[in-house]
Amino acid sequence: DVKVTQSSRYLVKRTGEKVFLECVQDMDHENMFWYRQDPGLGLRLIYFSYDVKMKEKGDIPEGYSVSREKKERFSLILESASTNQTSMYLCASSPQVPYGYTFGSGTRLTVV
Amino acid sequence: DAKTTQPTSMDCAEGRAANLPCNHSTISGNEYVYWYRQIHSQGPQYIIHGLKNNETNEMASLIITEDRKSSTLILPHATLRDTAVYYCIVRARSNDYKLSFGAGTTVTVRA
Repeated sequence: DVKVTQSSRYLVKRTGEKVFLECVQDMDHENMFWYRQDPGLGLRLIYFSYDVKMKEKGDIPEGYSVSREKKERFSLILESASTNQTSMYLCASSPQVPYGYTFGSGTRLTVV
Repeated sequence: DAKTTQPTSMDCAEGRAANLPCNHSTISGNEYVYWYRQIHSQGPQYIIHGLKNNETNEMASLIITEDRKSSTLILPHATLRDTAVYYCIVRARSNDYKLSFGAGTTVTVRA
């Protein structure tokens, strides 16, 4: 069964900490994505990558960075966590259009 | 990418077909229609996609009108496990990367 695996299901971090969210896919997909999901705001794209070492800003990149050193792994980095980054973070991967995305189960991050 | 309009919520009886409408009147010729669903506290799940022909897979059927301005997702025999938020999304072939999710339709399947 193909999978997108996010390293943590729940995470609690302190304000100002540097936070790493890891995502690994086993489908040899070119594209990988990070979304956050908040009540009333839906899913919003933070960053995406269409190739190793390539990255593009999504709709809400401020306060985040990403790293893709290997095709199967895409990391989201919160440089200095803040309480407004408390959210559900979802990683996804896809081959080229028209195929669909496969999402991970999500990481619920709480910043205190 | 074209915008979509879906009803906010709908109920369905268990064992009956659930027909989920989506309006995408500004869709252009190179845009696909995708459906995803999200069960509570899980990541979204891909269901089906189509360009202009009707499509069917093990999960659902997708009916696209001839003018492509609307579509219907059909869950043939709804079960309680189909209770979820269903998202209809249009996406251009040239736009390989971005998938924009709207508010979706909250479907509640009742016993």
